[in-house]
Amino acid sequence: QSALTQPASVSGSPGQSITISCTGTSSDVGGYNYVSWYQQYPGKAPKLMIYDVSRRPSGVSDRFSASKSGNTASLTISGLQAEDEADYYCSSFTSTNSYVVFGGGTKLTVL
Amino acid sequence: QVQLQQSGPGLVKPSQTLSLTCAISGDSVSSNSAAWNWIRQSPSRGLEWLGRTYYRSKWYNDYALSVKSRITINSDTSKNQFSLQLNSVTPEDSAVYYCARDPNTQRKFDLWGQGTLVTVSS
Repeated sequence: QSALTQPASVSGSPGQSITISCTGTSSDVGGYNYVSWYQQYPGKAPKLMIYDVSRRPSGVSDRFSASKSGNTASLTISGLQAEDEADYYCSSFTSTNSYVVFGGGTKLTVL
Repeated sequence: QVQLQQSGPGLVKPSQTLSLTCAISGDSVSSNSAAWNWIRQSPSRGLEWLGRTYYRSKWYNDYALSVKSRITINSDTSKNQFSLQLNSVTPEDSAVYYCARDPNTQRKFDLWGQGTLVTVSS
């Protein structure tokens, strides 16, 4: 199983907001501000959406925001659009020898 | 435009070596800020970081504990590419393999290859 825990699925209607959680430990999410979020469409490579807990790369919509509290990071997508339907993965730096750990992924369905 | 282009076989026999290459355009494998990574994805294991290579006056490699005894990542500056070798593969190593850039070694991957589905089967 993955090192970081995410809900398997979330859903929302167009225009609504949803939040995806990512729970780790003090050795990863809770201990460092190196949490990233990725969006992945079927058959495609992941795309970086958030890095350093809450920073957006150039070109990523400001409808995507993220934060962290303790050992749990969260990704919020506001004003849901059909194109947001995808899988979302969190990742974190880890002080163990794995260097990077990922969550198991959350499938977002736009109703 | 920076791109990563992967190449390599999609079918490998058990106990043999999986070999993939990632060609870089628009950046340098010898960059003094980036690290070049291999990540795989399978239904059973999810996304799994395998290892990285980077240059800081000399070459460094880091590998995930889960594959450390079987993995080698090399760089080829003349071709501006890096490669993955995974020895003694089993069906458990069947996955989509991605190369990816970490632009400043802070464990974020801003650029990915297209992915290569590798099946381990006789």
